[in-house]
Amino acid sequence: DAKTTQPPSMDCAEGRAANLPCNHSTISGNEYVYWYRQIHSQGPQYIIHGLKNNETNEMASLIITEDRKSSTLILPHATLRDTAVYYCIVRVDGAAGNKLTFGGGTRVLVKP
Amino acid sequence: DSGVTQTPKHLITATGQRVTLRCSPRSGDLSVYWYQQSLDQGLQFLIQYYNGEERAKGNILERFSAQQFPDLHSELNLSSLELGDSALYFCASSVESGRIPYEQYFGPGTRLTVT
Repeated sequence: DAKTTQPPSMDCAEGRAANLPCNHSTISGNEYVYWYRQIHSQGPQYIIHGLKNNETNEMASLIITEDRKSSTLILPHATLRDTAVYYCIVRVDGAAGNKLTFGGGTRVLVKP
Repeated sequence: DSGVTQTPKHLITATGQRVTLRCSPRSGDLSVYWYQQSLDQGLQFLIQYYNGEERAKGNILERFSAQQFPDLHSELNLSSLELGDSALYFCASSVESGRIPYEQYFGPGTRLTVT
């Protein structure tokens, strides 16, 4: 699986959009970009995933650059409950299994 | 609530002992995954089962073993416990393991403390 690089931490203001970057310059054509978050010591929570097109769901938007070497997770209106560690994961699905390889993630603190 | 349940929530035991952690996947999910989260190692994949068969192995110690039963629940057995095994153990489940990417849903975890 391709390695990802994320900033270790970032702050954002409540009510504003939070833009979380992720670099995955060694991503290959069949690898998906996944985002999960972990609030305190709870189980990680799936947010969104994509291959090459931008994706949006009720939680967030995922913007993937045309060369697929980086992506941005956008939380449109951050709330205090969005304070969490956000993980960007790149993986191939298939016969080898579907394990998630978590890196250090970005610790996001939403401030009032 | 992800629909994945794990028991027990907390477990305190002594070095050298053996424990069993239990996981019930979401209804309809065939794949179960086990992850370990310790302070120094972060979240690490241990093992995956799909419909009763072992599908993938990660950094799982030989002292650890797992199985998935016909009703699809899974158990993670940890034996000869050491202080370093103290961690959060998460179970996750997904619809199936294949070429289509399915998201994994995580349980609340079991916090294991080895004293």
